[in-house]
Amino acid sequence: KAGVTQTPRYLIKTRGQQVTLSCSPISGHRSVSWYQQTPGQGLQFLFEYFSETQRNKGNFPGRFSGRQFSNSRSEMNVSTLELGDSALYLCASSFLNHRGTEAFFGQGTRLTVV
Amino acid sequence: AQTVTQSQPEMSVQEAETVTLSCTYDTSENNYYLFWYKQPPSRQMILVIRQEAYKQQNATENRFSVNFQKAAKSFSLKISDSQLGDTAMYFCAFMKLSNTGNQFYFGTGTSLTVIP
Repeated sequence: KAGVTQTPRYLIKTRGQQVTLSCSPISGHRSVSWYQQTPGQGLQFLFEYFSETQRNKGNFPGRFSGRQFSNSRSEMNVSTLELGDSALYLCASSFLNHRGTEAFFGQGTRLTVV
Repeated sequence: AQTVTQSQPEMSVQEAETVTLSCTYDTSENNYYLFWYKQPPSRQMILVIRQEAYKQQNATENRFSVNFQKAAKSFSLKISDSQLGDTAMYFCAFMKLSNTGNQFYFGTGTSLTVIP
C-alpha cells in the first residue's frame, strides 16, 4: 500500500508570508501528527489529529495551525512566517488495533524562509 | 512528562561488525510503544523496529534487534553485520497512546557511520 505522502517536498517563502503543507496518511490510518525538525531543537511535536479533531497540541505559537479532512488528509498552516520557521516538517500517520500499532513518516517538507 | 535520552551523539562501526545504540526513557505511562527510526541524508524517517511495552520478548527485524529492559527503561538497538547503507542518524522514539492523542517523543539522535 502507498506510504505517507507529503507535499510539497521543498518550499522557499519570504518572511511575513504564509504557507500550507499537506500530508496524506496511509489508507486506514486515522491519526496524523506533525513535527518540526531543526538542527538546534531536534524533533518537536506540533499537533495531532484524529477523525478531523485536534486531540493534542505542542508548544508552538498560534501562527501554527492545522486541520484534518474526512479522508484523513491533513494540512498544516504557518502564517506570518519568520526566519526561525525554516525547518523540515514531518508528518506521521499511525494506526492502532488489537495487534498493536504502526507509525510511518512522510518524506517531509523542507521549508526555507528568506 | 516523557523524555527520551540518547547518550551517544556519534558512533562508528566497521562494515560487517556489530554495533549497539543506547536509549533510555522516562515515563509514568503503562501503555506505550518504542521505536527506532533511521534518517539517512535524504531525511526520510524510516521505521527500523518497534516494541510494544506490554511484550517481554525483544523485537527483531532481520539484522536489527532490541534489548528492551522495561524496569530499567532502557531500549537499545543492536545492528548486526553492519552495512554501508546503515549509515544514518538513528532516533529512538517513545509513543504514548491515549484517547487524548498519540504523540512521539524523540531522543536527540545518534549519528552512525559504517566504515568500509
